[in-house]
Amino acid sequence: EAGVVQSPRYKIIEKKQPVAFWCNPISGHNTLYWYRQNLGQGPELLIRYENEEAVDDSQLPKDRFSAERLKGVDSTLKIQPAELGDSAVYLCASSLVYAEAFFGQGTRLTVV
Amino acid sequence: SQQGEEDPQALSIQEGENATMNCSYKTSINNLQWYRQNSGRGLVHLILIRSNEREKHSGRLRVTLDTSKKSSSLLITASRAADTASYFCATGLLTGGGNKLTFGTGTQLKVEL
Repeated sequence: EAGVVQSPRYKIIEKKQPVAFWCNPISGHNTLYWYRQNLGQGPELLIRYENEEAVDDSQLPKDRFSAERLKGVDSTLKIQPAELGDSAVYLCASSLVYAEAFFGQGTRLTVV
Repeated sequence: SQQGEEDPQALSIQEGENATMNCSYKTSINNLQWYRQNSGRGLVHLILIRSNEREKHSGRLRVTLDTSKKSSSLLITASRAADTASYFCATGLLTGGGNKLTFGTGTQLKVEL
């Protein structure tokens, strides 16, 4: 069974440019998470979906970040415009209800 | 925001020794999970313990949970060089129809030959 798939693995962009990350969760998983991880720190929750509904997005900087999960499957996280401080690894994870989360390999974003 | 705080931040031991990591958290939880992250890679789930459980085992891993003290510990017995990684606790809160997972700051474990 395929795990959580994220793309791209790496992205380098100039500040003020837009960027998008894509996540394909494990089939049948209702819960989808997006986390941001800075070097040497733990993952910080940006948004959580239960099916297609965003139920936790208090940590998402809504002035520049947006996310969607169409039909409760794939998800896209967008940043527009990107700032230098957005450089981090963006992790996607999925899980069944009330179970352990499975993580993708992440997208390493560098904003120059 | 981080819910859990791991202690110690870094730990260096010899192969064959046991490694103990602690996690303290601030608010009520429904479950607590431990994850491992190798350098530059994604997180891998190790073990989940529910709030009504006190201890759980999985292979060389032993996890305890004390909800009265809001703390958990992860014990890795007979450590191996391959156990070198960062370990994170994550608190789970059942809300919004699912499990909100909030991660701690992590412990960097180095196992030397």
